[in-house]
Amino acid sequence: AQKVTQAQTEISVVEKEDVTLDCVYETRDTTYYLFWYKQPPSGELVFLIRRNSFDEQNEISGRYSWNFQKSTSSFNFTITASQVVDSAVYFCALSETAIIQGAQKLVFGQGTRLTINP
Amino acid sequence: KAGVTQTPRYLIKTRGQQVTLSCSPISGHRSVSWYQQTPGQGLQFLFEYFSETQRNKGNFPGRFSGRQFSNSRSEMNVSTLELGDSALYLCASSWTGKYGGELFFGEGSRLTVL
Repeated sequence: AQKVTQAQTEISVVEKEDVTLDCVYETRDTTYYLFWYKQPPSGELVFLIRRNSFDEQNEISGRYSWNFQKSTSSFNFTITASQVVDSAVYFCALSETAIIQGAQKLVFGQGTRLTINP
Repeated sequence: KAGVTQTPRYLIKTRGQQVTLSCSPISGHRSVSWYQQTPGQGLQFLFEYFSETQRNKGNFPGRFSGRQFSNSRSEMNVSTLELGDSALYLCASSWTGKYGGELFFGEGSRLTVL
């Protein structure tokens, strides 16, 4: 069965520090998708990035970057020069193959609560 | 463009009662998924609907049910509520629900069972 592990339950850093959120996944599928979502206090999950299993290119979007390594089954997320507004719970998720082709189900990690202190 | 709208945002019920939660997806989206979020179990998949058909179901008891209407709006129902059903219920929509597609989430309905 698919599984996502986010070993860091809580991280607290001072503003402007760099911070990396770890994500390790398990799957027997050869084709799969990985996601990162951000959950602010309002509750909704905000999509950050999607990566499919055939694309190991690292991605950078402003202060955010993602490092996907199939060899270690990891999909880590780094925030550079963190800001107070980055404070939220961050979830890593794996798209599980559905029995019925096309139907999607996400398997989420337990989340990492990130607090950026001024 | 309006996002995913969930109602009610907060509700309190007592054990044994039943509850219905509503989700209006983004206009044009035909797939609606439901997730339960609790401190202990985290985020867990409940079910997914596409064009009024349930295509995928998580590992939840039969007390949890859902449906989707022809306008893609969805409802989920929990009967005979238990204390452990207290959770944030999140609805997500996507164009087709296709494997690997981006999900757009609502702010959730926070259910408290007393």
